[in-house]
Amino acid sequence: SQQGEEDPQALSIQEGENATMNCSYKTSINNLQWYRQNSGRGLVHLILIRSNEREKHSGRLRVTLDTSKKSSSLLITASRAADTASYFCATDDIGANNLFFGTGTRLTVIP
Amino acid sequence: DAGITQSPRHKVTETGTPVTLRCHQTENHRYMYWYRQDPGHGLRLIHYSYGVKDTDKGEVSDGYSVSRSKTEDFLLTLESATSSQTSVYFCAISELKENYGYTFGSGTRLTVV
Repeated sequence: SQQGEEDPQALSIQEGENATMNCSYKTSINNLQWYRQNSGRGLVHLILIRSNEREKHSGRLRVTLDTSKKSSSLLITASRAADTASYFCATDDIGANNLFFGTGTRLTVIP
Repeated sequence: DAGITQSPRHKVTETGTPVTLRCHQTENHRYMYWYRQDPGHGLRLIHYSYGVKDTDKGEVSDGYSVSRSKTEDFLLTLESATSSQTSVYFCAISELKENYGYTFGSGTRLTVV
């Protein structure tokens, strides 16, 4: 399968703490993207990091990419209850016509 | 979700019946995709389109067909629904995936009984 794999599958933290989730993949990529999905809703694009980038920030989000290890991490700082959702990584594989999504990390932020 | 709507939102159908799901966009994006989401499998691509009348298969295309006669509409048809097609179906749109992410619809929850 070309899917990425997120780790952990589920994560529960207190409000205000940082949340880190990881993604590993198997192929060569153009970019890697992170999405959020609230229960019963569609996925929302959070951030895109290109293969020649190592780190990217967007608000409270920090994404890193290590192409030598074929892995990425998403850090959410100062978490809020509203961050409770599932988070998916998706890879834009070289030569592919679509994104490949992982199975997601379920984040619960306890108020 | 802004610019993309799916219909219906929920549907229950009987095994063996044909079902058509609709995705409509107002963004004039070239690319449109149909994914299914199942527990433990994440999102898997069914079919995608890269222009009017231009479509191609994804990794789980068996039992599904698609059509795109207009830029704004992408239809997914289950030719003869089976219980294994019970799932949540998402449509997505994009311009260049190298530069932009996907915009997803709100999904259609399909139950085949």
